[in-house]
Amino acid sequence: NAGVTQTPKFRVLKTGQSMTLLCAQDMNHEYMYWYRQDPGMGLRLIHYSVGEGTTAKGEVPDGYNVSRLKKQNFLLGLESAAPSQTSVYFCASSYERGTAKNIQYFGAGTRLSVL
Amino acid sequence: DQQVKQNSPSLSVQEGRISILNCDYTNSMFDYFLWYKKYPAEGPTFLISISSIKDKNEDGRFTVFLNKSAKHLSLHIVPSQPGDSAVYFCAASAGKSGAGSYQLTFGKGTKLSVIP
Repeated sequence: NAGVTQTPKFRVLKTGQSMTLLCAQDMNHEYMYWYRQDPGMGLRLIHYSVGEGTTAKGEVPDGYNVSRLKKQNFLLGLESAAPSQTSVYFCASSYERGTAKNIQYFGAGTRLSVL
Repeated sequence: DQQVKQNSPSLSVQEGRISILNCDYTNSMFDYFLWYKKYPAEGPTFLISISSIKDKNEDGRFTVFLNKSAKHLSLHIVPSQPGDSAVYFCAASAGKSGAGSYQLTFGKGTKLSVIP
């Protein structure tokens, strides 16, 4: 049981390049989330999904797109990376029927640098 | 506008003593509160939670206290151990929101250092 797995762990991009971050969970969770963590800022929600085929905007969605084509996967895309998107990105998931809806389980993070 | 505040960026405690981490919130709609622990280069790990219908929840060395009238919660770690050294995040949920998810609002974290 791996929990929440994020790939890649590290990435360096040049301004204007695109990339996709992959999140996979094996806990049969309904909800999935993408956060970014910046120094002194805590965790801020980018986008989230309440089920396969659904996505919604969080607190800081600009410059990002997401897709959830399969229940276990949640992809975060950067179409044209900017230095302001240098951050650590965390994926989380929560809620299988019969369990607490509020408790989110996190992946190990992706450290992204945009030069 | 920060809805969840952790006003102490850092805290140092001697091994064996009590660690008290504090968290204040402003949104009266929050009804569920969580603490997460984060080690460097790892993701946050769920530690303990409390519903707004309770004022205390215990799990081994960890106890969370909730004072709804003061909109304040605290995490007590007794006794503190060097392995407890980490960043602790307070988070709050207002139940079903947005497109139907149970979103969490996080504080900025408190870095706890337990000195051997």
